[in-house]
Amino acid sequence: TQLLEQSPQFLSIQEGENLTVYCNSSSVFSSLQWYRQEPGEGPVLLVTVVTGGEVKKLKRLTFQFGDARKDSSLHITAAQPGDTGLYLCAQTIYNNNDMRFGAGTRLTVKP
Amino acid sequence: GAVVSQHPSRVICKSGTSVKIECRSLDFQATTMFWYRQFPKQSLMLMATSNEGSKATYEQGVEKDKFLINHASLTLSTLTVTSAHPEDSSFYICSAAGGDYGYTFGSGTRLTVV
Repeated sequence: TQLLEQSPQFLSIQEGENLTVYCNSSSVFSSLQWYRQEPGEGPVLLVTVVTGGEVKKLKRLTFQFGDARKDSSLHITAAQPGDTGLYLCAQTIYNNNDMRFGAGTRLTVKP
Repeated sequence: GAVVSQHPSRVICKSGTSVKIECRSLDFQATTMFWYRQFPKQSLMLMATSNEGSKATYEQGVEKDKFLINHASLTLSTLTVTSAHPEDSSFYICSAAGGDYGYTFGSGTRLTVV
């Protein structure tokens, strides 16, 4: 059972466009991770957010963590074909070090 | 940085046979290891969590007698798919947690049961 709601599940855009992916939970995160996965490979960590209201930037990627630590977003500016992949949010919750994933957002950026 | 080695990367086996997948943390001690399964075009689903030296904790709906997990040392966990069937064909990924490295994922094992 997925405890995280991630949207949209599929996104196909043109090169140069901006996009936002959302991740929500009914539970408070102790931390939240964003990963990117390419076919046939394991997920690669993009960022970890821990503090409510936190904003982190990684080149054209901006990650926000909600004040209540129940939601997060990933914004990509001027998307490029190399951004194509499966983007996953993952949570760990208090008193439990299991990491669980959202359903994922499959992004395709067309040249 | 932390590295997790997962082997084999691909395996094809006959229905009814067993397959073992290894997950090793190469440069850190993993107190906890996680096993995930990923079907095509889907996300990772947690199968079980194992702590070194103790029995694994399985997620609801995951058969512990079919998916045997051994975490005998701080650097090695194994997942054995017993009596594999075609519906067990999937991408299996391990993750290791320990020290200051957070969660590190292996590169996955694509299992095909024919």
